[in-house]
Amino acid sequence: EPEVTQTPSHQVTQMGQEVILRCVPISNHLYFYWYRQILGQKVEFLVSFYNNEISEKSEIFDDQFSVERPDGSNFTLKIRSTKLEDSAMYFCASREASGGFNEQFFGPGTRLTVL
Amino acid sequence: GENVEQHPSTLSVQEGDSAVIKCTYSDSASNYFPWYKQELGKRPQLIIDIRSNVGEKKDQRIAVTLNKTAKHFSLHITETQPEDSAVYFCAATLGTSGTYKYIFGTGTRLKVLA
Repeated sequence: EPEVTQTPSHQVTQMGQEVILRCVPISNHLYFYWYRQILGQKVEFLVSFYNNEISEKSEIFDDQFSVERPDGSNFTLKIRSTKLEDSAMYFCASREASGGFNEQFFGPGTRLTVL
Repeated sequence: GENVEQHPSTLSVQEGDSAVIKCTYSDSASNYFPWYKQELGKRPQLIIDIRSNVGEKKDQRIAVTLNKTAKHFSLHITETQPEDSAVYFCAATLGTSGTYKYIFGTGTRLKVLA
C-alpha cells in the first residue's frame, strides 16, 4: 500500500539556522498539507498546497515558513530562521481528489529539535 | 474561531469494557469527521470517519455517531483490547476553496488495562 514518506526522521539544528523538511506524497494525490505537533499537544494545521500554490495557511505559518513542490514528487517545508518554539513533530499529509470526504494520509513525521 | 473540543483527555478502562470519546466542533459548515489513532512515536492513522449526511457508522468494534444539530460526534470502542491503547484524535474538516484542512481535537490518551 502506498505511503507518504518523510525525511529526515529527526533533525537537530541551532536556533537561527534554516531547515528543510522533505515529504514524498502518494503519487496520484493532488492536495498536500503540513501539520505540526508540539510534544504532548494536538496536531495543528500549518498550510495546504494545491496546483502548485498555497491554498490556505494558518497564523503559525508566518514569513519564516515556505513550501515548495520543486520536482513533481517532493513537497518541502522550509523554516528560514528557526526558533526554539519551532521544536515539534512535523507531519506531511496528502489527499487524493477534490471534495471534502477524502482521507488525508499522514507521513511518519520529522521530529525537529531547535537548540 | 475554528475549534474542536475533545473529552476526556485521558481514559482508563478495563480490557473488555467500552470506551467513549466525545468531540464538539464549532463551525456548522464542517462536513467530514475523521478519527485518528496515534501510537507512541508513530504517524496518525485513520480508524473511522463519518460524513455529515450520516448519523452513525460502525466498523467491527468501532463506531462513530454524529449529531449535527448539537455539533457533537463521538467514538465508541467496544470490547477494548490492550492494543487499543493509544492517543485518539478527532478532527473536523473546514474547507475554503477546497482545502479541507483538518482541525484536530486535543486528543484522548486511552489506556486499556489487562
